[in-house]
Parts: sequence; structure tokens; C-alpha cells
Amino acid sequence: EAQVTQNPRYLITVTGKKLTVTCSQNMNHEYMSWYRQDPGLGLRQIYYSMNVEVTDKGDVPEGYKVSRKEKRNFPLILESPSPNQTSLYFCASSYGTALREQYFGPGTRLTVT
Amino acid sequence: AQSVSQHNHHVILSEAASLELGCNYSYGGTVNLFWYVQYPGQHLQLLLKYFSGDPLVKGIKGFEAEFIKSKFSFNLRKPSVQWSDTAEYFCAVNAGRDDKIIFGKGTRLHILP
Repeated sequence: EAQVTQNPRYLITVTGKKLTVTCSQNMNHEYMSWYRQDPGLGLRQIYYSMNVEVTDKGDVPEGYKVSRKEKRNFPLILESPSPNQTSLYFCASSYGTALREQYFGPGTRLTVT
Repeated sequence: AQSVSQHNHHVILSEAASLELGCNYSYGGTVNLFWYVQYPGQHLQLLLKYFSGDPLVKGIKGFEAEFIKSKFSFNLRKPSVQWSDTAEYFCAVNAGRDDKIIFGKGTRLHILP
């Protein structure tokens, strides 16, 4: 089944404790992206990647890192999480570019205390 | 900078009513436009998209959207809504220069049976 998977789905952590949210797709998509969804703010793009070893900042990259060492994986790293990074995070992928239909993962709900 | 405005944050309609959700964007050049939908407990999925050509675009589940360049708008319509259309709807824009996608804040649609 074609899908985007994210792990963990739920995470509660403390300020400053490094964490990684994994994202994997099995569709051989070139484009991958991370978004955060906050009430009243909609979805905001954090980082995106056009292909392996190519990443670019979205609108809200501060406090986040990403890497794209393999085509299927696009982990989101929070080196020192803060409470304002409490949010619902979505990973997405698409064939070629963002102009194609993006397939979204199920989301990761992160709480930073 | 690009921005996307969705005027209605929360819309409540009865079944069989007609629907129009507003979306305006702020970019004067070539744009690519999308509507995504998030049904309760599900992933975001693409409803329809506009790149060029006929400004009236038809999507899945009976939805359509009209691109009016002079008004910088891409409103979503459905002539007769169903209870199953209850969801959150997101308008999104790509300015065509890069692969950033800007989402609106979303409109929660609640259909009364």
C-alpha cells in the first residue's frame, strides 16, 4: 500500500531534550516536506526537499533541522525543543515537485513541557 | 511575501445547501493553486488543483473551484453539500518560483444532517 508513515504518532517531552520524528514514504517520491499545524494558523511549511541531499527552508524553519540521506526518509530533528514547538506535525511527499498531489502522513502530535 | 487568506474560519450548513468557501492570495505573478481537505481523523488529501488553462477546475466528490486572476481568488464551490463533507478545507498557493507551498488557515465546515 502506497503510504507516508510517521513515528512516533504521539510524543510528550521536556524542554531541551533532543528528539527526532521520522518520516518514510514507499512511493519513490522525489519531493518531501514537513508542516506544522496549529489552531488558527493552518499548515505552515517547515522544510522541504527536492531530492536526496537537497533541502530548503520553508516558512518556519527556526528550531528545526532535516536531512535527506535516502530518497524514502526525511527525518525532522528538534535539537533543543521548546514549548512553542508543541504542535501537530505532518510529513508529505509527492512525485517530482510540490506541484503534484502531495500525500500526507497521519501526523505526529508533539507536546513539549 | 506570499500569503493566503481564507475568509471563513467556521461554516455551518444544512444538507443540500450550496457551498462557497473563499480563498484569496497575494502574489502578482504566475501561481499554482490547490484545495486540500482533511476529514475528521484522516490525512489531508487533494481535492483539486489549478495550474493553467480553463479557470474552472473540477475535483473529486463534486467540488469545483474557479480561478479569477483579477480578483486573486480561487473559491471552492459545491452545489449541494452532504453530511459527509464535514471536514476542514485548506487553500494553498505555490508562487511558481520555487517549491514552497503556502497554506491558508483553513475553514472548518460542519454539515447538519
